[in-house]
Amino acid sequence: NAGVTQTPKFRILKIGQSMTLQCTQDMNHNYMYWYRQDPGMGLKLIYYSVGAGITDKGEVPNGYNVSRSTTEDFPLRLELAAPSQTSVYFCASSYQDYNPGTDTQYFGPGTRLTVL
Amino acid sequence: GESVGLHLPTLSVQEGDNSIINCAYSNSASDYFIWYKQESGKGPQFIIDIRSNMDKRQGQRVTVLLNKTVKHLSLQIAATQPGDSAVYFCAENPSGTYKYIFGTGTRLKVLA
Repeated sequence: NAGVTQTPKFRILKIGQSMTLQCTQDMNHNYMYWYRQDPGMGLKLIYYSVGAGITDKGEVPNGYNVSRSTTEDFPLRLELAAPSQTSVYFCASSYQDYNPGTDTQYFGPGTRLTVL
Repeated sequence: GESVGLHLPTLSVQEGDNSIINCAYSNSASDYFIWYKQESGKGPQFIIDIRSNMDKRQGQRVTVLLNKTVKHLSLQIAATQPGDSAVYFCAENPSGTYKYIFGTGTRLKVLA
């Protein structure tokens, strides 16, 4: 298994541009997450999904959108990029049964985004 | 707001010594906790977890201790090795939710 893969690894955007960060997992996990990590800080949850067709907001969803059309893919869309969105973005996936909080999250390698 | 924090942002230890990384959590409803290791340029990697019905759990060279009375979590690494150098995060999962709250991390430096 490749695990969780993310593309691109690096990207520089101009203010106002848009882009999609790709995330794919091949572990048949039902849960997927998007986090951002600012320098010297912990991870902040942007959006998460408990299954195909279902998404929900995390702590910092403003300026982002997600979709989950398949189990494997969970793209993150940035519309109208702003300097405040400069960060490292991590995608994660996990398998959860009906008991929340019993999962182990597997993280991708991250996408480093700079908005100038 | 709810948060998970760490007492020491940087910890330096001699190779071969034991390391203790601490974490305080604020949500008394959290019942599941995870420690992650993050090496430079990589995503977090699961180390060990513990549920709130336990106060200690051991893995290979690592032990997690949970003190629910004072809402404190610690990660002990035995015989610290250079490969242990990384940033360590604790994360808590409030009961009944699918979300995790991460701390800011502690950087562990292993001195030769």
